[in-house]
Amino acid sequence: SAVISQKPSRDICQRGTSLTIQCQVDSQVTMMFWYRQQPGQSLTLIATANQGSEATYESGFVIDKFPISRPNLTFSTLTVSNMSPEDSSIYLCSLARGPSEAFFGQGTRLTVV
Amino acid sequence: GDSVTQMEGPVTLSEEAFLTINCTYTATGYPSLFWYVQYPGEGLQLLLKATKADDKGSNKGFEATYRKETTSFHLEKGSVQVSDSAVYFCALTLNTGGFKTIFGAGTRLFVKA
Repeated sequence: SAVISQKPSRDICQRGTSLTIQCQVDSQVTMMFWYRQQPGQSLTLIATANQGSEATYESGFVIDKFPISRPNLTFSTLTVSNMSPEDSSIYLCSLARGPSEAFFGQGTRLTVV
Repeated sequence: GDSVTQMEGPVTLSEEAFLTINCTYTATGYPSLFWYVQYPGEGLQLLLKATKADDKGSNKGFEATYRKETTSFHLEKGSVQVSDSAVYFCALTLNTGGFKTIFGAGTRLFVKA
């Protein structure tokens, strides 16, 4: 198993501001992933965070809006920039040790007002 | 592209009824398949998984069989309980691209007493 600590667990933010979400894992892992779950929707992959290189973003997501850092093999951050109410979602980090070993954090519930 | 399609909800059942939630997938290669469950207000939990054709994953009375010939991974439970009320996500993890997970849209299950 893996322990993933994600914080904050929830936040209410003013539009136009930015929020940085932190994800700490209990062991070294090469790839970490950031997902978004909009209200009543499924999980959508935002980007893959690779240690030592820039994150790889999925279609529809850009670095300016969702900058990601991956300073070492156990930590990553996702920033939601210049927020609007449409960014209200649950954001989850994840890691995979193999094709059948995926783990997810508890998520950050973001509300933008 | 790679994708997961699952039956739309909500599904409403009476306690002790039989549950089937259909899931089919499209993927290059041989993915691992998963069912995740999300209880109200909680994070994502792995329910069961199967990593190769004809494998059966099972947990808490739920089971699903990896059917390569029909590219399906239907979730079943013989007798549902009120506590099974949740959203169920079918998902696959590819063996390429860093093992990112692709989710279906989710199916909300309501079980009435």
